[in-house]
Amino acid sequence: DAEITQSPRHKITETGRQVTLACHQTWNHNNMFWYRQDLGHGLRLIHYSYGVQDTNKGEVSDGYSVSRSNTEDLPLTLESAASSQTSVYFCASSEFRTGDHEQYFGPGTRLTVT
Amino acid sequence: DAKTTQPPSMDCAEGRAANLPCNHSTISGNEYVYWYRQIHSQGPQYIIHGLKNNETNEMASLIITEDRKSSTLILPHATLRDTAVYYCIVRVARGRALTFGSGTRLQVQP
Repeated sequence: DAEITQSPRHKITETGRQVTLACHQTWNHNNMFWYRQDLGHGLRLIHYSYGVQDTNKGEVSDGYSVSRSNTEDLPLTLESAASSQTSVYFCASSEFRTGDHEQYFGPGTRLTVT
Repeated sequence: DAKTTQPPSMDCAEGRAANLPCNHSTISGNEYVYWYRQIHSQGPQYIIHGLKNNETNEMASLIITEDRKSSTLILPHATLRDTAVYYCIVRVARGRALTFGSGTRLQVQP
């Protein structure tokens, strides 16, 4: 079955380190998204991509970067981790050609920056 | 994207219908109404969407008022597994990210 996976599921890192969170989907979807969710709040958009070599900034993109070299993967990099980036990160994908009505979310990565 | 307003929390008895309201008075003609839910610490899950007509699928029904300024998500026979935060989102189709508000925390009581 097609799916969307994230790794690692849990990560503890130190302030100033570079961290990369992986997202992999097997639906061959055009669109991929990264969101973060802080305790007790809704999800906020970090970056998104509408296809290979396409990336766009979302609402809270400062301190994050993404690259899209193939259809299946959209890794999220924290260039220099800060305590304010402690959060749960969700990746999602959707298909433009069928109207993009349903986004499929991964299980999330819980990141702690100490 | 239009702004939505939802009650912060609701309770429902197990086996009864859960009716979750959403106001979106500034919705535009080309914007859809979407419902997602998030069960504790999991990724959000798509439930249903609609433009003008009422919609039903295996999970829920969506009732949209004639003026499209409000909608109601109906879970016909709520179970304990339906306890979650439910998000009402309004946006155009095709390639746009979702804008999540605070949602409604539904607690299904045994």
